[in-house]
Amino acid sequence: GEDVEQSLFLSVREGDSSVINCTYTDSSSTYLYWYKQEPGAGLQLLTYIFSNMDMKQDQRLTVLLNKKDKHLSLRIADTQTGDSAIYFCAERLTGTASKLTFGTGTRLQVTL
Amino acid sequence: DADVTQTPRNRITKTGKRIMLECSQTKGHDRMYWYRQDPGLGLRLIYYSFDVKDINKGEISDGYSVSRQAQAKFSLSLESAIPNQTALYFCATSDRGPVNEQFFGPGTRLTVL
Repeated sequence: GEDVEQSLFLSVREGDSSVINCTYTDSSSTYLYWYKQEPGAGLQLLTYIFSNMDMKQDQRLTVLLNKKDKHLSLRIADTQTGDSAIYFCAERLTGTASKLTFGTGTRLQVTL
Repeated sequence: DADVTQTPRNRITKTGKRIMLECSQTKGHDRMYWYRQDPGLGLRLIYYSFDVKDINKGEISDGYSVSRQAQAKFSLSLESAIPNQTALYFCATSDRGPVNEQFFGPGTRLTVL
């Protein structure tokens, strides 16, 4: 199967860390992605991780991949109000060329 | 100017009408995609095209058709719109590289009454 699941909503205080989680069911994923959708806009790629990696850090963003549990997470350090958006994880399977399967999206609300 | 543009941005139509959504890109990418977004369901792939002569069905192609008129243009048609096709529609493009970063348009909000 190609189901990618996320919780629908997360609320954090400004300055705290946010952790957005994703589970996927297909172990043959090659790349896994995090996309961000701001209100009224399309999705933009935030970061990605190749399946042979466990962790990737990019400034305030840390991606953790646990292949055994098929779990992907995105940690945003020092969360700001500008981080409020919907975050989608996505997987690309081996042999599917450029097709991605997206999760349901997690709405992150940052409060003051 | 935006790299991926969609027209119209909003459209309200009636059941049974034919609707065309258009997508243009200036990124020079070969690959183009149409998705629909529904609350709680994420994005689902409708059709994709890897070049002008290549069209492929996605997971929810029933009720839709596409045309790749040129490398830069990919249009989505609803031959006879129905209310459950009310959704936010996105066009995206990507190059042939291994990362497959997809670049999205701003979306078209379609309401079928």
